Amino acid sequence: DGGITQSPKYLFRKEGQNVTLSCEQNLNHDAMYWYRQDPGQGLRLIYYSQIVNDFQKGDIAEGYSVSREKKESFPLTVTSAQKNPTAFYLCASKRSGDRAETQYFGPGTRLLVL
Amino acid sequence: AQKVTQAQTEISVVEKEDVTLDCVYETRDTTYYLFWYKQPPSGELVFLIRRNSFDEQNEISGRYSWNFQKSTSSFNFTITASQVVDSAVYFCALSEALGGGADGLTFGKGTHLIIQP
Repeated sequence: DGGITQSPKYLFRKEGQNVTLSCEQNLNHDAMYWYRQDPGQGLRLIYYSQIVNDFQKGDIAEGYSVSREKKESFPLTVTSAQKNPTAFYLCASKRSGDRAETQYFGPGTRLLVL
Repeated sequence: AQKVTQAQTEISVVEKEDVTLDCVYETRDTTYYLFWYKQPPSGELVFLIRRNSFDEQNEISGRYSWNFQKSTSSFNFTITASQVVDSAVYFCALSEALGGGADGLTFGKGTHLIIQP
């Protein structure tokens, strides 16, 4: 089955620790995205990548980093510089960088700070 | 800058009632795309519909229908004969074709729909 997978489902972070969230897709999509969702809020864009080896900052990139070494993978690292990391993180992909294309979402990772 | 407003934070209706979720958007682009997504308790966003700004034809898909009106910058979503399985958070989102900003969706804050049996 084609789709987007995110792991882990739940992640716990200690103070000062970097953690990495995984996002994999087998849809052969060029573009991938990371969003953050806080309770009662809409999604906000963290980073996106329209092609391998290239990525751009979104609206709330501070304290996060990404890489795009393979077409199917777009991991997100939440660094210790992110002071309020507790949130639900959603990965998405679409066929190309064309803004008319529909984004499809993974099941999400819930990050909690210990 | 683009903006999406979903003024209804939470709506609660009894099963089989019709319900309309409102979405109002702001954009300076003449070409843009509007989306509706459903987020069930599991958390994953499920795509429902995409509408292009140059196509104002309303759409019906089973019990779901969408009313797009450029004159009022609205893209409302109606569920007819609601069912308990429709309970979820629903998001409206906007993508500008030529916007100079990031290539991402601008989301409203969502409407939590509760269908009571």
